[in-house]
Amino acid sequence: GAVVSQHPSWVICKSGTSVKIECRSLDFQATTMFWYRQFPKQSLMLMATSNEGSKATYEQGVEKDKFLINHASLTLSTLTVTSAHPEDSSFYICSARARTGPQETQYFGPGTRLLVL
Amino acid sequence: GDSVTQMEGPVTLSEEAFLTINCTYTATGYPSLFWYVQYPGEGLQLLLKATKADDKGSNKGFEATYRKETTSFHLEKGSVQVSDSAVYFCALNLANTGNQFYFGTGTSLTVIP
Repeated sequence: GAVVSQHPSWVICKSGTSVKIECRSLDFQATTMFWYRQFPKQSLMLMATSNEGSKATYEQGVEKDKFLINHASLTLSTLTVTSAHPEDSSFYICSARARTGPQETQYFGPGTRLLVL
Repeated sequence: GDSVTQMEGPVTLSEEAFLTINCTYTATGYPSLFWYVQYPGEGLQLLLKATKADDKGSNKGFEATYRKETTSFHLEKGSVQVSDSAVYFCALNLANTGNQFYFGTGTSLTVIP
C-alpha cells in the first residue's frame, strides 16, 4: 500500500532555532500534501495544504512566516518551524493525496514530535 | 461549518466485549466519511470509509454505516481484542473543499484481557 514517511520522528531543539521536517511519499506521486498539528489528547488540526510547485495555502490563524512549507517535488514536502518557541512543541503529521486513485483518500505519515526547550 | 463530533473517551472494555464509538457530522455538502486508527507511537491508518449514504465500510471486524438521515457514522465491533487498543478518529472529507479532512477529537480505547 501507499507509504508516507516523515523525518525526523523526534526532535528536541532550543528556543529560537529553526527545525525542518520532511514528508515523503515513498511509492507514489503526491500532487497534494497536507500538514497537521496534533496537541495532546486533541484532534488533528489542518495547518496548510501544499500543491507541488505552488505556494502553500494556510488555514486561518496559522502564521505562514513561522511555518514555511515547500513542496519541491511530487514526493517531498518540507515544513520548517522558524524561530521555534516552547508553544510550538507539538506532534506534526503530514498526509499525501496520490496523483491517481480516489481523491478522497489521503495517506498519513507517522508524525514528528517536536519539543522546544 | 463542517465538523465532526465523536464520543469522548477514554473507553475501557474487556476482551470480547461489544464496541460502539459514536460519531456525528455536520457538512454543507455530501461528504465522504472515515474512521482512522492511531496505535501508540504511530501515525494514522485508515480503518474504513464510506463515500455515500447507506454505504457500509468494514475492515478487521469493524464496521460503520453512513446514515444521512441521522448524520452519523458510528463505529462498531462485535468482539474487541487487546490489539484493538488505540485512538480512533472519525473524519469527513468534502470534494468541494479540496478534499480537506475534518477530524473528531479522537476516542481512546483500551481493551483489557
